[in-house]
Amino acid sequence: AQSVTQLGSHVSVSEGALVLLRCNYSSSVPPYLFWYVQYPNQGLQLLLKYTSAATLVKGINDFEAEFKKSETSFHLTKPSAHMSDAAEYFCAVSDRETRGNTPLVFGKGTRLSVIA
Amino acid sequence: NAGVTQTPKFQVLKTGQSMTLQCAQDMNHNSMYWYRQDPGMGLRLIYYSASEGTTDKGEVPNGYNVSRLNKREFSLRLESAAPSQTSVYFCASTPTQQVKAQPQHFGDGTRLSIL
Repeated sequence: AQSVTQLGSHVSVSEGALVLLRCNYSSSVPPYLFWYVQYPNQGLQLLLKYTSAATLVKGINDFEAEFKKSETSFHLTKPSAHMSDAAEYFCAVSDRETRGNTPLVFGKGTRLSVIA
Repeated sequence: NAGVTQTPKFQVLKTGQSMTLQCAQDMNHNSMYWYRQDPGMGLRLIYYSASEGTTDKGEVPNGYNVSRLNKREFSLRLESAAPSQTSVYFCASTPTQQVKAQPQHFGDGTRLSIL
């Protein structure tokens, strides 16, 4: 079964510093990949998605993610952290190969703290 | 833009009580989902409905039932609540049955505490 691993349950960065949140998937065939953000007491919002058109995917709020097949990774980055980026981030995967409907499988999440 | 609406937003139950969580979407989506979110566990799929009239079990279905009432509404029922079901419950939907490349749209959640 498809799975996704997010390294680091909590990441802390200074305001203005680079944000790097890690995500690795398990399948040999590259899946569809998603990053979601969850602000306190809210639902999840889509940041960006990878569907094979381009390996570098740009999302909202200056976030981007790069798909690397050789590393089975889809890490999320942002050049300069803002206080408003403090939230929980989820990587999710959908299997290309399975027939029919296959709901997303989510990682356990990474909580991002931004220090002033 | 309402999107996915969940009711209630908060609820406290006693062990053994029953409860139905409501979810409605106004985006004409075919597929709908129920997840639970627990600290350190991410989101775990309880049940989903690929289309009106169909439902399937997810990763953690025990203790829950669902009803796809129509295309817009997908409810989650706890017949006899247990403290282990204390969680935040999210409903989500996707536009078509071909869900693989489609992002899910989420409601704001129902925070459920069972004493």
